[in-house]
Amino acid sequence: QTVVTQEPSFSVSPGGTVTLTCGLSSGSVSTSYYPSWYQQTPGQAPRTLIHSTITRSSGVPDRFSGSILGSTAALTITGAQADDESDYYCVLYMGSGISLFGGGTKLTVL
Amino acid sequence: EVQLVQSGAEVKKPGESLKISCKGSGYRFTSYWIGWVRQMPGKGLEWMGIIYPGDSDTRYSPSFQGQVTISADKSISTAYLQWSSLKASDTAMYYCARRSGYYELDYWGQGTLVTVSS
Repeated sequence: QTVVTQEPSFSVSPGGTVTLTCGLSSGSVSTSYYPSWYQQTPGQAPRTLIHSTITRSSGVPDRFSGSILGSTAALTITGAQADDESDYYCVLYMGSGISLFGGGTKLTVL
Repeated sequence: EVQLVQSGAEVKKPGESLKISCKGSGYRFTSYWIGWVRQMPGKGLEWMGIIYPGDSDTRYSPSFQGQVTISADKSISTAYLQWSSLKASDTAMYYCARRSGYYELDYWGQGTLVTVSS
């Protein structure tokens, strides 16, 4: 069974840059998986950040960017701020209407 | 304004049935897929399944096939997630979300907390 992989946790200093990745247990992630990224803070519903690999959702600051990095999808936060401390999830479209979430990355800003 | 409004929190006993709802407004309900996402306490998000209210085409993640039923009533712009026999392990927050043409979940409901306990 295919698993979508993410780093369990990551840490970044305020003002720093961090890249979170989203991979597959077997195979490479490409734009054909329409990677999307979501931010979730405790007690809140997720918020959509990026879709179709690189497209920012409405209202998302441009310090968030998406890309393909080697065999993974990537979310880069440039100039991290304290309120970026959240859980980040990627989703890959697997075909036949089905998508899969990654396990999520807990980002700490300190 | 696009909105998805979910039904309120539920407390149930093991073996009971349950149906929770997600009402869409501010867009053409029949033209977008609605997905359901589970989040168990302290855990990550899990894709459960999705329905196209226009024709009730439904797809389930293999992990949830046979465990839940997803349905929709397009006449009242509402999607549903139901269980025939709840287990304690069904205790979780459940979110509905609209899927756009680019496969992302672009609008989310506020979540429905389901607690199953004897």
